[in-house]
Amino acid sequence: DAGITQSPRHKVTETGTPVTLRCHQTENHRYMYWYRQDPGHGLRLIHYSYGVKDTDKGEVSDGYSVSRSKTEDFLLTLESATSSQTSVYFCAISESRTGKSYEQYFGPGTRLTVT
Amino acid sequence: AQSVTQLDSHVSVSEGTPVLLRCNYSSSYSPSLFWYVQHPNKGLQLLLKYTSAATLVKGINGFEAEFKKSETSFHLTKPSAHMSDAAEYFCAVRGSARQLTFGSGTQLTVLP
Repeated sequence: DAGITQSPRHKVTETGTPVTLRCHQTENHRYMYWYRQDPGHGLRLIHYSYGVKDTDKGEVSDGYSVSRSKTEDFLLTLESATSSQTSVYFCAISESRTGKSYEQYFGPGTRLTVT
Repeated sequence: AQSVTQLDSHVSVSEGTPVLLRCNYSSSYSPSLFWYVQHPNKGLQLLLKYTSAATLVKGINGFEAEFKKSETSFHLTKPSAHMSDAAEYFCAVRGSARQLTFGSGTQLTVLP
């Protein structure tokens, strides 16, 4: 398995509280992504990063922010969680620095429940 | 813009019979295409990828897929299903900035 960890793996939080999810990689890959997975929707891209401090929005970015201060860490923050953000969140990485590699490798996921 | 349509949300096969999971894509340029598998409560695992080399791509666990440009398809097949193949399968197409756009998934059930 690619060296990707996500923390926490499970979280229950209340509406209106801030939540931060962490993705950590040991592969030195340039690109990192955050997706959410919901039944019937597959995976949808929230935000992605193409380098330290370089981030951009994905398809479903409203209500989410990200930060990447180090190559290995990519943080996803829900500033004020809502019930519609109950989902499973996956981090992914791609493109090693030794060559072009377009496939993405996924972390184990974080199950977030907003009550 | 890129998009992917997985034509079946559920597929059931008997153990030992062939598997066919269908995927059609739309892309503004020469596509890179992927199949991923997700077992319950797990992350996604790459099965195989097409990146403009051979049109018949072999992946892990006996799966393969054929890229057909004229049909804009990238269907996943396996000659003989095993119980351990029961999972959800996702087709994806690469877009700009190396983003992936995923289909909504196909749940494969393997009957004994």
